Amino acid sequence: GQSLEQPSEVTAVEGAIVQINCTYQTSGFYGLSWYQQHDGGAPTFLSYNALDGLEETGRFSSFLSRSDSYGYLLLQELQMKDSASYFCAVRYNQGGKLIFGQGTELSVKP
Amino acid sequence: NAGVTQTPKFQVLKTGQSMTLQCAQDMNHNSMYWYRQDPGMGLRLIYYSASEGTTDKGEVPNGYNVSRLNKREFSLRLESAAPSQTSVYFCASSERLAKETQYFGPGTRLLVL
Repeated sequence: GQSLEQPSEVTAVEGAIVQINCTYQTSGFYGLSWYQQHDGGAPTFLSYNALDGLEETGRFSSFLSRSDSYGYLLLQELQMKDSASYFCAVRYNQGGKLIFGQGTELSVKP
Repeated sequence: NAGVTQTPKFQVLKTGQSMTLQCAQDMNHNSMYWYRQDPGMGLRLIYYSASEGTTDKGEVPNGYNVSRLNKREFSLRLESAAPSQTSVYFCASSERLAKETQYFGPGTRLLVL
């Protein structure tokens, strides 16, 4: 079967740094994406890693290690508006189908 | 640009009733997708359409049918609704099938009694 594991919830304080981990076991691997979802609304794309290493986009960075089947999303200078659910998703075939993790609910406290 | 729009926003059905969820995108994207999200769960792919005129099954297609009406519109039909289909349904689109960024609509919240 295919599975992705991520922590169900994480709490951090405003201004801090938080890391959300994702480990995967899939039949194929073409890339790891991260999506943000506020209060059950439309998920929005954050980042994508196809190759090993770190990708940085403003306050958000994403890391991938294909040999370890592992990635993480790093959020720096946390703001209250970062309180949301974060999903990792693996593209497991050439056709672009995604399988999503169950999501990590991030609570940012003042 | 409205992006991806979905109708209706909310729907309550009785077991056995049928309904069609509508989705449209104005980004000239080739590929479109239907997902369902259950409480505390990630999104699961129901069906997708790589391009106009083609549709394919995802992870959880049973009980659903789809139609790619044209490049803009992709509908999801429940022929005989069951309580297990109570969920939030999201439509998404991307430039092409292998493009990493998918753009999601606001969702349709469906309750089947």
